[in-house]
Amino acid sequence: ETGVTQSPTHLIKTRGQQVTLRCSSQSGHNTVSWYQQALGQGPQFIFQYYREEENGRGNFPPRFSGLQFPNYSSELNVNALELDDSALYLCASSKSGTGGINEQFFGPGTRLTVL
Amino acid sequence: KQEVTQIPAALSVPEGENLVLNCSFTDSAIYNLQWFRQDPGKGLTSLLLIQSSQREQTSGRLNASLDKSSGRSTLYIAASQPGDSATYLCAAPNQAGTALIFGKGTTLSVSS
Repeated sequence: ETGVTQSPTHLIKTRGQQVTLRCSSQSGHNTVSWYQQALGQGPQFIFQYYREEENGRGNFPPRFSGLQFPNYSSELNVNALELDDSALYLCASSKSGTGGINEQFFGPGTRLTVL
Repeated sequence: KQEVTQIPAALSVPEGENLVLNCSFTDSAIYNLQWFRQDPGKGLTSLLLIQSSQREQTSGRLNASLDKSSGRSTLYIAASQPGDSATYLCAAPNQAGTALIFGKGTTLSVSS
C-alpha cells in the first residue's frame, strides 16, 4: 500500500510569485485535505476535496485554490505569494463515503519559503 | 467553533518514565479524536484514532483515552525511550466534519 506523497519537498519563491504543490493520496482513499503549518504551531485547515469538488474551507483567502483529479491526487495553488505564506504545507488523505472526517493520513509535507 | 488545547507545551523526562499528555476540546459533539506524532520538519504520523463510542485505544506502549463529557483526551506513554522524542499533536473534527482542528502540540524530550 502506497502512502501519501507530496512534491516538491522544498521550494523557494519570491513575494508575488505563484506556486503549485502536489499530493498523491494513499491507495484506496478518495478525500484529500490540505493544511498549513507555521513554525511552532499546529496545522491549520486550508480546504478539503471530495469527488473533485471543494468540500470545506478554512479561513484562507481566495488566492489559495485547489484541484482534485479523477485519480484522487490533488494540487494546491497559491497566487500572489506573501512572506507569511512561508510554512510547511501538509496534505492528508482519508477514505470516506460522505466526505466527512475519518482517520487521516499525512504526507511528508512541502516546505515553502517566500523571500 | 471547535478549539483544541494541549498542555504542557513542552516536557523533558528521563528514559523509562511513564508520562501523560493532555488535550482538551470545546465542542464535545465529536465522533472521533486523533493523536499524531511529528518529528522536526517532517509530516504527521497517525498514532491512535479513538471513536466516540470508545473510551480507550491502545497501540504498544501508547494508550489514549477519550472523555467527551469533560472535553478531554489523554495520551499515556509507558516506559519512555529517547526515540519517543518528538512533538505530539491531538486533533478533533470541526463541527462540519470536514477538517481536523489541531492543538499546538506537546514537545517531548526523553533523555538517556
